[in-house]
Amino acid sequence: GQNIDQPTEMTATEGAIVQINCTYQTSGFNGLFWYQQHAGEAPTFLSYNVLDGLEEKGRFSSFLSRSKGYSYLLLKELQMKDSASYLCAVRSLRGYQKVTFGTGTKLQVIP
Amino acid sequence: GAGVSQTPSNKVTEKGKYVELRCDPISGHTALYWYRQSLGQGPEFLIYFQGTGAADDSGLPNDRFFAVRPEGSVSTLKIQRTERGDSAVYLCASSLMWRGGLNEQFFGPGTRLTVL
Repeated sequence: GQNIDQPTEMTATEGAIVQINCTYQTSGFNGLFWYQQHAGEAPTFLSYNVLDGLEEKGRFSSFLSRSKGYSYLLLKELQMKDSASYLCAVRSLRGYQKVTFGTGTKLQVIP
Repeated sequence: GAGVSQTPSNKVTEKGKYVELRCDPISGHTALYWYRQSLGQGPEFLIYFQGTGAADDSGLPNDRFFAVRPEGSVSTLKIQRTERGDSAVYLCASSLMWRGGLNEQFFGPGTRLTVL
């Protein structure tokens, strides 16, 4: 099976940097996704890591350490519109590529 | 281009009734997933289709839940004898399935099901 842990809620200030952590346990790891989900909306893809290291995409970066079963999403220059839930999701090899989602971290950006 | 669409957007039904939820994936996406999401939780996997066949239905909670994808495109999730605990947002996602590819999932807006 798979187990994914991330903090339930976080608060950060507009313009600041925030790091959202995710730890996971899985068999047959085949990549880790981060999705953003605004309240009442569908999740949208943010980033993907399959190898160790940092992937940068504008204000968003994601890091992966496979040996530690650990990832983080880094959001820089926070904007009010970044208030949303951030979902960590792990893909495993199971005949096909099954994706399991964590419970999400609800980020509130305050002025 | 068109994204994943789901109908209806909202469905209110009474306990014991039968409901059907429809998903129209992105054209050309062979993989289709159904998830259920309760308030404050992440999407919970229900079933996965590769083409017309259900490759993994291990997430379906019980035999009241069934899903089909007869022509490898549109999918219907069917729930019999609905219970109040079935109330949730039902999300559909589709993706490509290229060997070694990113294959990220694109989600539809969801159907909010309320069982009274």
